[in-house]
Amino acid sequence: DTGVSQNPRHKITKRGQNVTFRCDPISEHNRLYWYRQTLGQGPEFLTYFQNEAQLEKSRLLSDRFSAERPKGSFSTLEIQRTEQGDSAMYLCASSLLGTHTGELFFGEGSRLTVL
Amino acid sequence: AQTVTQSQPEMSVQEAETVTLSCTYDTSESNYYLFWYKQPPSRQMILVIRQEAYKQQNATENRFSVNFQKAAKSFSLKISDSQLGDTAMYFCASPIRGAQKLVFGQGTRLTINP
Repeated sequence: DTGVSQNPRHKITKRGQNVTFRCDPISEHNRLYWYRQTLGQGPEFLTYFQNEAQLEKSRLLSDRFSAERPKGSFSTLEIQRTEQGDSAMYLCASSLLGTHTGELFFGEGSRLTVL
Repeated sequence: AQTVTQSQPEMSVQEAETVTLSCTYDTSESNYYLFWYKQPPSRQMILVIRQEAYKQQNATENRFSVNFQKAAKSFSLKISDSQLGDTAMYFCASPIRGAQKLVFGQGTRLTINP
């Protein structure tokens, strides 16, 4: 078990460019979450998947954000036309439906800097 | 809206001392788990301890223990014999919507001084 893996770990981009982050969850986990974390703050929920279905999206997730989880395995989070306010750490987490604790297992995050 | 509040943005103690981090939450769930996560500088978030709301006994994991007051919706974390490696951000988390997702507090930055 290699844990939750996220790539790239760091991304610096210019305003207006598109970026994509990838998350590989723990292999048997069927739930996958995206959170955003700004400096000195707690993670804020963005969206989550159960298998390949996207079950909920936060109001924080503007139209410029899109997430997918084809085949219920890895997930991608794309941000189009990036803005400086998008600069943050994007955290991916996974969990196993059926374990009633609701515990999340986190990746190391993808830090985005928009210049 | 269901919220989690950590009222201590920063704390600092000397190595080997005991420190308590506070957390209050607001959930409408009937049975749930509460969590404390640790996020060391530039490292991933890891689970420190969890507490099942139906259990009256406070959870303990080695030097880490909780003081769970269900009626008051309070869930504090006590770290005994603190170590330099305990330096990190600590986040309290509560579930919403049938544990489908967790909501996190703002965090407490804990520094253990030698």
